[in-house]
Amino acid sequence: ELKVEQNPLFLSMQEGKNYTIYCNYSTTSDRLYWYRQDPGKSLESLFVLLSNGAVKQEGRLMASLDTKARLSTLHITAAVHDLSATYFCAVAFFGNEKLTFGTGTRLTIIP
Amino acid sequence: DVKVTQSSRYLVKRTGEKVFLECVQDMDHENMFWYRQDPGLGLRLIYFSYDVKMKEKGDIPEGYSVSREKKERFSLILESASTNQTSMYLCASSLSQDSWYSPLHFGNGTRLTVT
Repeated sequence: ELKVEQNPLFLSMQEGKNYTIYCNYSTTSDRLYWYRQDPGKSLESLFVLLSNGAVKQEGRLMASLDTKARLSTLHITAAVHDLSATYFCAVAFFGNEKLTFGTGTRLTIIP
Repeated sequence: DVKVTQSSRYLVKRTGEKVFLECVQDMDHENMFWYRQDPGLGLRLIYFSYDVKMKEKGDIPEGYSVSREKKERFSLILESASTNQTSMYLCASSLSQDSWYSPLHFGNGTRLTVT
């Protein structure tokens, strides 16, 4: 069974701190995506990771992919309130065009 | 920017009604998808389409059907709505199978309540 697991499910952190969201998946994948969803809004694409060791950065967010460990991380540096949102990872498995989403990590940044 | 437009933001329907959710994208994308989003379950794929008049089942197709008569429009149909279909429905599109890595672009969602 194809599974994508994120942890933590909920994360409350103070402004200025660093933290990491983890995304584990159950079988070989050829691409992984990170999305952001603000309350009441749609999902916005953040990163696409296509190969082992891929690293992408945008502002205070950095995503990486380790295909051997079947793990992606989304690292938040010096968090600011504007980063409060729910973050989803999504994985496409070899031989399957469909994306399987994780359950999401709801991130709250406290001033 | 790609725009994916879902016709209704909120819908309230009665059990047994036939429900149509409409989605239109304006960037000539070949691929279109319907997901439902429920707390604690993330997004689950209902149906998708790679081309006009073509459809494939996702992970939870039971109780749903779809229609794609034109490239830009993808409709989700609940043949006989039930209370367990109360959910947020998200439509998405992506470029094409040739651009297999292109991300999904999502609409703003339709929150459907079945009473």
